[in-house]
Amino acid sequence: DGGITQSPKYLFRKEGQNVTLSCEQNLNHDAMYWYRQDPGQGLRLIYYSQIVNDFQKGDIAEGYSVSREKKESFPLTVTSAQKNPTAFYLCASSVGINTEAFFGQGTRLTVV
Amino acid sequence: RKEVEQDPGPFNVPEGATVAFNCTYSNSASQSFFWYRQDCRKEPKLLMSVYSSGNEDGRFTAQLNRASQYISLLIRDSKLSDSATYLCVLSTGGYNKLIFGAGTRLAVHP
Repeated sequence: DGGITQSPKYLFRKEGQNVTLSCEQNLNHDAMYWYRQDPGQGLRLIYYSQIVNDFQKGDIAEGYSVSREKKESFPLTVTSAQKNPTAFYLCASSVGINTEAFFGQGTRLTVV
Repeated sequence: RKEVEQDPGPFNVPEGATVAFNCTYSNSASQSFFWYRQDCRKEPKLLMSVYSSGNEDGRFTAQLNRASQYISLLIRDSKLSDSATYLCVLSTGGYNKLIFGAGTRLAVHP
């Protein structure tokens, strides 16, 4: 089955820890994105990548880092510098420029 | 001014009603437009793309007005299963940066 897989579905982090959220796609899409959604809010762009080994900061990149070493993978690290990381994180991919994006099922991150 | 603005609602309508959502955008260079649907605690799913000539998919009709910089979504004969949040999305620039509106919540009741 083609699609986007995010893992884990739920993640608990202690304060001061870095955690990495996985996002894998087998759709052969060039572009990948990470969004954050807070309760009752819209999606805010963290990072996006158009091609392998290239990525751009979105609107709220502080406290996050990404890599794009392979076309199918775009992991997101939430660092200890992110002061309020509890949120719903969504990964998406699209074929390329100006095309619709498809989402994974998301990861709910909670700081404990 | 926000890049994409939507009325947050909620829109409470009875089954069978027709409901319309509008979305305005500020960047005249925006190139592609979409409507997504998001159910509670789920990921957004593509409902339909929006073309300049307008397009229809069953009970759903989308329109784009570039001159006034807004897009619209019309839902006819509302079903209980249409209850969700509807997100207006557009892309701008060569990096295909997708920008989401905050969404409009629709609640269809019996």
